[in-house]
Amino acid sequence: GQQLNQSPQSMFIQEGEDVSMNCTSSSIFNTWLWYKQDPGEGPVLLIALYKAGELTSNGRLTAQFGTTRKDSFLNISASIPSDVGIYFCAGRGAGNNRKLIWGLGTSLAVNP
Amino acid sequence: EAGVTQFPSHSVIEKGQTVTLRCDPISGHDNLYWYRRVMGKEIKFLLHFVKESKQDESGMPNNRFLAERTGGTYSTLKVQPAELEDSGVYFCASSLEETQYFGPGTRLLVL
Repeated sequence: GQQLNQSPQSMFIQEGEDVSMNCTSSSIFNTWLWYKQDPGEGPVLLIALYKAGELTSNGRLTAQFGTTRKDSFLNISASIPSDVGIYFCAGRGAGNNRKLIWGLGTSLAVNP
Repeated sequence: EAGVTQFPSHSVIEKGQTVTLRCDPISGHDNLYWYRRVMGKEIKFLLHFVKESKQDESGMPNNRFLAERTGGTYSTLKVQPAELEDSGVYFCASSLEETQYFGPGTRLLVL
């Protein structure tokens, strides 16, 4: 089945640093999504990407849909303590189904 | 506007018992999804309802899992009988169109 490789698995950074994480797939996706999960909560959508090459920002977050349609990255600039959490990439393949394929997640810790 | 709610938040049961999880989607959302995250693994799709109909149930692990959405509002996911490998976090999500909004999940532990 389709799988997403997300890296890094975890990161520990200082407040103010920039962060980058990415996902790759062996198959093409039509949609790339980035979610964040806080402890005890469900994933919350951060950014949605629908076209190859698309670069989208949401505040300090920037994500890109790779031109090959097999990868995506998420950057967080000037990290702050509330950025702590697990970040997931998710993709939706071709066809009419709406199921999301997920990466394993990147656990981010920010040292104030 | 109320978000997706799930009940219970936690459940601890013994192997062989039955557990029923409930999801209340955002009002007006015809699409309802169930996902599961087993510890150390990725979140995996279980199934997708459009109103009361099962649109895609390709992710359901086996026939011990039964999902229903009578009346097209809330949904239940029953596991009977539960096995150790069913432990994990069960997420429900709902959507009007593309964007899926997730509930807080039910943490299931089977002993």
